[in-house]
Amino acid sequence: GENVEQHPSTLSVQEGDSAVIKCTYSDSASNYFPWYKQELGKRPQLIIDIRSNVGEKKDQRIAVTLNKTAKHFSLHITETQPEDSAVYFCAAMMNRDDKIIFGKGTRLHILP
Amino acid sequence: EPEVTQTPSHQVTQMGQEVILRCVPISNHLYFYWYRQILGQKVEFLVSFYNNEISEKSEIFDDQFSVERPDGSNFTLKIRSTKLEDSAMYFCASRRDNRGTGELFFGEGSRLTVL
Repeated sequence: GENVEQHPSTLSVQEGDSAVIKCTYSDSASNYFPWYKQELGKRPQLIIDIRSNVGEKKDQRIAVTLNKTAKHFSLHITETQPEDSAVYFCAAMMNRDDKIIFGKGTRLHILP
Repeated sequence: EPEVTQTPSHQVTQMGQEVILRCVPISNHLYFYWYRQILGQKVEFLVSFYNNEISEKSEIFDDQFSVERPDGSNFTLKIRSTKLEDSAMYFCASRRDNRGTGELFFGEGSRLTVL
């Protein structure tokens, strides 16, 4: 089955700097890659997603890139703000499957 | 905005007891899921449900677990005989369709504590 690896597990950046979180997936049949943000004690919420027919997608300060050949995808957050502090999970899904598999999460700390 | 709702928000039970966690998915969604998150760890897939039957399940979802959609709105997860290691946050989620994409909407979670 699909396996998603995510790193780093913890990331601290100065407010205003950029943060990058990287993930790799194992099954080349995966074709949908969402990113979820989970604030402390709350539910995961989708922040951006990308399909395998697209190499990059951007939404304001958040962007995701996908390299299908290398089977890795990354989340980029620019001009980080205190409210970006949270745990971020990458995930992958295959069209033929009916489940989304999550990475282990990255705890992002934005330092004042 | 429609939401996935879950009850109870927190349940404490004794080891060996049966627990039922309840979920009301978003009304026009067709795919339903249960995920588990042990404190500080990743969100783990348990089971997916479509067209009134299980479509996928993980190794975690053994014979102690079952799911049911008893009526048109509720989606339940039953743990027959709880173990200490079942202590976790259980998230219900739903999706409108399964065209290879489609946002997964999570409920607020049910925290299960097994003593």
